[in-house]
Amino acid sequence: AQKVTQAQTEISVVEKEDVTLDCVYETRDTTYYLFWYKQPPSGELVFLIRRNSFDEQNEISGRYSWNFQKSTSSFNFTITASQVVDSAVYFCALSEGFDNYGQNFVFGPGTRLSVLP
Amino acid sequence: KAGVTQTPRYLIKTRGQQVTLSCSPISGHRSVSWYQQTPGQGLQFLFEYFSETQRNKGNFPGRFSGRQFSNSRSEMNVSTLELGDSALYLCASSSSGTLAYNEQFFGPGTRLTVL
Repeated sequence: AQKVTQAQTEISVVEKEDVTLDCVYETRDTTYYLFWYKQPPSGELVFLIRRNSFDEQNEISGRYSWNFQKSTSSFNFTITASQVVDSAVYFCALSEGFDNYGQNFVFGPGTRLSVLP
Repeated sequence: KAGVTQTPRYLIKTRGQQVTLSCSPISGHRSVSWYQQTPGQGLQFLFEYFSETQRNKGNFPGRFSGRQFSNSRSEMNVSTLELGDSALYLCASSSSGTLAYNEQFFGPGTRLTVL
């Protein structure tokens, strides 16, 4: 089973629409970290956020917000008032293995977001 | 502060050859991780080095190896190349001094094509 699932392969929205990217993860660990990265057409991965398993507080950074729910093992990412520059592939990732075995870092398959003018 | 640099940016090799990729982390960063990105398998973790020691390893065959030097620069080697090794190889550096993955800063990648 995939450890990190991003069910939406591709999403297209029109500029100024809000869009939510879903991420569901699977781990047996009690200590783990979740991340979101953006990969624009240039190819370089850009870090967006890191959240540890003990901090379920939602976070807002400008037009970006994240909703972490341990009960549903989800870490969803919302872009408000999307812009063309938001067009990219977005990856959710899980870092685990701190409790007993070797650390593992797993990316989801990514969601390609296209924001149309 | 200079970012993560990777050399070369593009590489073409033939099956059976070996290749070495280089990564220079951000100054002061001691952790370097390597990832392989392909259309079919997505982004996969290869290994991580910290203070010249391999700290974590993903699920890749022994043909994939790496090392880190005292100045934190890292090299990744792939021996006996296969067509399926064609990929974008990304390097990331982090200041992390523990097993927790702090923010990782990624380089632009090396695009390897195996013919």
